Amino acid sequence: GQNIDQPTEMTATEGAIVQINCTYQTSGFNGLFWYQQHAGEAPTFLSYNVLDGLEEKGRFSSFLSRSKGYSYLLLKELQMKDSASYLCAVRETGGFKTIFGAGTRLFVKA
Amino acid sequence: KAGVTQTPRYLIKTRGQQVTLSCSPISGHRSVSWYQQTPGQGLQFLFEYFSETQRNKGNFPGRFSGRQFSNSRSEMNVSTLELGDSALYLCASSFDATNEQFFGPGTRLTVL
Repeated sequence: GQNIDQPTEMTATEGAIVQINCTYQTSGFNGLFWYQQHAGEAPTFLSYNVLDGLEEKGRFSSFLSRSKGYSYLLLKELQMKDSASYLCAVRETGGFKTIFGAGTRLFVKA
Repeated sequence: KAGVTQTPRYLIKTRGQQVTLSCSPISGHRSVSWYQQTPGQGLQFLFEYFSETQRNKGNFPGRFSGRQFSNSRSEMNVSTLELGDSALYLCASSFDATNEQFFGPGTRLTVL
């Protein structure tokens, strides 16, 4: 079956580092995406992994292990504006369908 | 360049009615996907279109349908509305199916 699991909520302190995990079981794999969604707004693209390893982009990094069906999003030097939902999404083989996890709501406190 | 636009932004309907939502993708993008977002279920995939062809469909009843026009604009239709159809409907476009998706602001549908 198709399943993407991520924690429902996380809380972290401004300036700290937080890791949001995602595990997936899907019908084939053609890439994993992370999106950020602020309350009341549309999701925006953060990162894309298709090969194993770490992709770094500024304060955000994303890691993928295809053999383990596992990814994480790492946010460094947390800022209050990082309070949002973070969505893990897997593109299935063929590329025509993307499955989203329910999202992780991150609260950044002062 | 302009982003993905969706109309209308808000819609209130009653049970049994039908509704049509519209999405204009970013210029040059030919892939358009539709999602339903609810607080409990997250983003659920509805369907994906590319060059006027539906290439994949999610697990939604036949009341949910869509189409794509030659200019890549897309519409989705929901017939015989039910209370459970109340949700935010998001459209996303991409250059092709393997690239990141750019989301529109969504249409919030309320069914009374």
